Amino acid sequence: QLQLQESGPGLVKPSETLSLTCAVSGGSISSTGHFWGWVRQSPGRGLEWIGSIHYGGTTYYSPALKSRVTISVDTSKSQFSLRLSSVTAADAALYYCARHWGTYCSGGYCYIQYYFDYWGQGALVTVSS
Amino acid sequence: QSALTQPASVSGSPGQSITISCTGTSSDVGSNDFVSWYQQHPGKAPKLLIYEAKKRPSGVSDRFSGSKSGSTASLTISGLQGEDEADYYCCSATRSKTVAFGGGTKLTVL
Repeated sequence: QLQLQESGPGLVKPSETLSLTCAVSGGSISSTGHFWGWVRQSPGRGLEWIGSIHYGGTTYYSPALKSRVTISVDTSKSQFSLRLSSVTAADAALYYCARHWGTYCSGGYCYIQYYFDYWGQGALVTVSS
Repeated sequence: QSALTQPASVSGSPGQSITISCTGTSSDVGSNDFVSWYQQHPGKAPKLLIYEAKKRPSGVSDRFSGSKSGSTASLTISGLQGEDEADYYCCSATRSKTVAFGGGTKLTVL
């Protein structure tokens, strides 16, 4: 059974960089047909996609966060990571890592199949000085 | 503001059926069938209920069904049970290879 586990500091100072890692076990992070993503949820709010990465290095980011986000993958450690720079109170949230399906192309268009089928338990990040 | 529009709340009595709508645009829901639905209980991670607009992953009850027409996707829960009380989110791929979530719908079982 595939398992994902987030880890990282639970407290980040304003203007600093938030860093989280997601360890993948019970399956291969080097799966051709899947991407690995980050989704956050602010207290009492809905889900917000941050970005995703394929083991080969292809990344997709939320347009709203793209200027501040970097997602990387380390296949040797079976983990992928999130860095979010210049954080503010608005970035305080429960951060989930999750796996989703990959690319589907038809009729000249290619889409990413964002079916998040495995999730971590979430990592709570507070932004405060 | 979420990219996809869902009702904030819906309710129903045990045994009844309810439908949650998810309205997008021609750039997301209206452009493809890569729509999924998630159930989230308090304190838990979301769970995939529906993918490709109407398919159910193995292990998901057939009381959950999905459909799509134009730029609106729908999730129907039939034979409502107390355990169905949760938040539900829709999700759609976009033409720009990003993804949009709905704002979520709180289902109350009366």
